[in-house]
Amino acid sequence: DIQLTQSPSFLSASVGDRVTITCRASQGISTFLAWYQQRPGKVPQLLIYAASTLQSGVPSRFSGSGSGTKFTLTISSLQPEDSAAYFCQQVNNYPWTFGQGTKVEIK
Amino acid sequence: EVQLVQSGAEVKKPGESLKISCKGSGYVFSTFWIGWVRQMPGKGLEWMGIIYPGDSDIKYSPSFQGLVTISADKSINTAYLQWSGLKASDTAMYYCARQNAYGPFDFWGQGTLVAVSS
Repeated sequence: DIQLTQSPSFLSASVGDRVTITCRASQGISTFLAWYQQRPGKVPQLLIYAASTLQSGVPSRFSGSGSGTKFTLTISSLQPEDSAAYFCQQVNNYPWTFGQGTKVEIK
Repeated sequence: EVQLVQSGAEVKKPGESLKISCKGSGYVFSTFWIGWVRQMPGKGLEWMGIIYPGDSDIKYSPSFQGLVTISADKSINTAYLQWSGLKASDTAMYYCARQNAYGPFDFWGQGTLVAVSS
């Protein structure tokens, strides 16, 4: 199985800050990577797929980049509603796998 | 509007069997893969497997192969996840989700909470 390692596991930032989360794959996955947001007690929501394509309806402050083994999710200006857990997922090789998650807290 | 509606919460005893469901609407159910994701209390997301309702092709995660059964009935736009002998460690929230053409899950069910306790 392809392992995905996210860093950091937790981060605390202020409203308006630029936030970056990294996802590293144990082997190359081209751009077959997605990012999800899960607010507390809510269902996960797809933010980005194919490493950098924004899902319909997702605010433009979210962006993704990377290919191969290193990927990043960036929130350009953190908002209060962005307090959530974020997960990456590879869809290059079965079984699809998720990263362990990054919890984002608003200071 | 695409919707996935899951069956309600379950409380079971160890060793009991269970089948939970996920009904799709608002799209052609048989032409999109449907997957199942486990989330244990306070933990992350785990990909369990997916099924293509059109021909019932299934791909399991090795971590869940033999422990659960995924199935679908395209005539009623419903996918299923079942256990034949539940364990306390199966206590979790289970989500179904539709896989888009690129692989990720673009629409999710509301989740089914399964609690297993003696």
